Amino acid sequence: AQKITQTQPGMFVQEKEAVTLDCTYDTSDQSYGLFWYKQPSSGEMIFLIYQGSYDEQNATEGRYSLNFQKARKSANLVISASQLGDSAMYFCAMRDPWQYDYKLSFGAGTTVTVRA
Amino acid sequence: NAGVTQTPKFQVLKTGQSMTLQCAQDMNHNSMYWYRQDPGMGLRLIYYSASEGTTDKGEVPNGYNVSRLNKREFSLRLESAAPSQTSVYFCASSEGRGPNEKLFFGSGTQLSVL
Repeated sequence: AQKITQTQPGMFVQEKEAVTLDCTYDTSDQSYGLFWYKQPSSGEMIFLIYQGSYDEQNATEGRYSLNFQKARKSANLVISASQLGDSAMYFCAMRDPWQYDYKLSFGAGTTVTVRA
Repeated sequence: NAGVTQTPKFQVLKTGQSMTLQCAQDMNHNSMYWYRQDPGMGLRLIYYSASEGTTDKGEVPNGYNVSRLNKREFSLRLESAAPSQTSVYFCASSEGRGPNEKLFFGSGTQLSVL
């Protein structure tokens, strides 16, 4: 079974600073996909970024980037220039693409609080 | 732009009562999922439907049943609610055609079982 580990239950970051959210995963497959979702206090799940295991470059989406280290099985999310609206819970998730069902397995999440 | 619609948004049940959570998507997606979210445990998959006509158990299926009514709708039923089923429930969908597809989520149902 896939296992996603997010070791930081909560983090504080100063506005305009960068923050790194850790995510490690466990899989014996060579082909897989990694996702990050944001959940603000309103509760909805918002997709942020995707990284495929065979992608040669780290994924970036605006202020979000994914620090992918395949050998270490880590997929850390970096949020640059933090804003107050970045305060939310962040989930790392993984998919085994060889499974036909395309389901995602999620980590426990990290709560980020941005201070003014 | 409805996306994934879940009803109800909030529900309070007494132990032993039954209820059905409804989910519908208007994106012509093949795959649909039910997750539950509990503090410190992230989202855990209850059941999923990879395509119309199929359903499979996820990580925590006990106490739940599902029905893929048609391509649009995927319902989750609690036959005899228990306090351990107090949680936030999310329905999600995806096209089900490629490994890089994101899931689209509904807004969630907050369920309390007393």
